[in-house]
Amino acid sequence: GAGVSQSPSNKVTEKGKDVELRCDPISGHTALYWYRQSLGQGLEFLIYFQGNSAPDKSGLPSDRFSAERTGGSVSTLTIQRTQQEDSAVYLCASSRRSYSNQPQHFGDGTRLSIL
Amino acid sequence: QQQVKQSPQSLIVQKGGISIINCAYENTAFDYFPWYQQFPGKGPALLIAIRPDVSEKKEGRFTISFNKSAKQFSLHIMDSQPGDSATYFCAASSGGNAGNMLTFGGGTRLMVKP
Repeated sequence: GAGVSQSPSNKVTEKGKDVELRCDPISGHTALYWYRQSLGQGLEFLIYFQGNSAPDKSGLPSDRFSAERTGGSVSTLTIQRTQQEDSAVYLCASSRRSYSNQPQHFGDGTRLSIL
Repeated sequence: QQQVKQSPQSLIVQKGGISIINCAYENTAFDYFPWYQQFPGKGPALLIAIRPDVSEKKEGRFTISFNKSAKQFSLHIMDSQPGDSATYFCAASSGGNAGNMLTFGGGTRLMVKP
């Protein structure tokens, strides 16, 4: 597609449920990033992939969060046993590579609400 | 630890005026400084970016000024228009093998009055 695509655009779920968020990057972009945007914390880095490999998972808030990327394309971010503090907009970005400061292009995010 | 500090948090400017947003960073390893514009319900969109070997970069009505010694950079929006009303984020990253992940400032909500 022309841009980064994220689904679902909105997700409402009950506390304790697992959720899976999907990101489809721009074709040909080998680097993929997940960020979280919340009122209290602003925009914060979660994890990035270069190809299918995730060299830096340091931003993941807890072990309830995990992410994978297959075929160098689509990525899923999974949150297990959701908590109310997980409510936020989860943003995905992609760039041509994860070095040389390539511009990152963002999707419109998934707005996650935990009841 | 907030590595990129952005000010002001909100800004009101008259149509045709100049909007100025400032950012300061701490990490001297940062070598790429983009600015993003975000409208409600949308993801951040890259506006303009600068590297530290340049003191100023202009694209249309948008200009970045960069002061490496002071570790500060700013966005100037000339001839501000109501359509510029959005939230603006500065960011910084370091290249090489560091992954290029972005560290964002806290954002500035700009309102341009007609």
